[in-house]
Amino acid sequence: DAGITQSPRHKVTETGTPVTLRCHQTENHRYMYWYRQDPEHGLRLIHYSYGVKDTDKGEVSDGYSVSRSKTEDFLLTLESATSSQTSVYFCAISEGGANTEAFFGQGTRLTVV
Amino acid sequence: SQQGEEDPQALSIQEGENATMNCSYKTSINNLQWYRQNSGRGLVHLILIRSNEREKHSGRLRVTLDTSKKSSSLLITASRAADTASYFCATANTGTASKLTFGTGTRLQVTL
Repeated sequence: DAGITQSPRHKVTETGTPVTLRCHQTENHRYMYWYRQDPEHGLRLIHYSYGVKDTDKGEVSDGYSVSRSKTEDFLLTLESATSSQTSVYFCAISEGGANTEAFFGQGTRLTVV
Repeated sequence: SQQGEEDPQALSIQEGENATMNCSYKTSINNLQWYRQNSGRGLVHLILIRSNEREKHSGRLRVTLDTSKKSSSLLITASRAADTASYFCATANTGTASKLTFGTGTRLQVTL
């Protein structure tokens, strides 16, 4: 398995609280991604990063922010969690962006109550 | 909105049979990729086919790409129970070198 670690793996939080998910890689890949997976929508891109401090929005970025202060870490923050953000969150890394294969973490199951 | 749409949504076959899944997309692409996801796990990359390629093989996997029809197919030959998983296509659209857009997936069940 590629060296990707997501933490935490499971989290239950209350509506209105901020939540931060962490993705850590040991592969030194340039690109890092956050996706959410929902049964009715499949996998959707939230935010991605193409280098340290270089990030951009995906298709479902509202209510989420990201930061990448070093190559190996990509943080996803839910600024004020809502029930609609209950989902499974996946981090992925890629050496060459969309033109090379992506490696996925094991996922974080987040429940907002 | 999803770029790729897989068909069928679910497929059930017996071990030893072949499984074919299709993916249709809407815009021009640089490449198309297929991924597998076992229940409760992350996605695993299977194969990447570039827009100037028509067919690619990897072990028991065969992928075709028809850019004129904006469609791709994934064939798994001689399926095994261990192939039970969800399969997703993902497209790298022309002009967006950074992002992959995933379809909603095909759930494959292989029974003994």
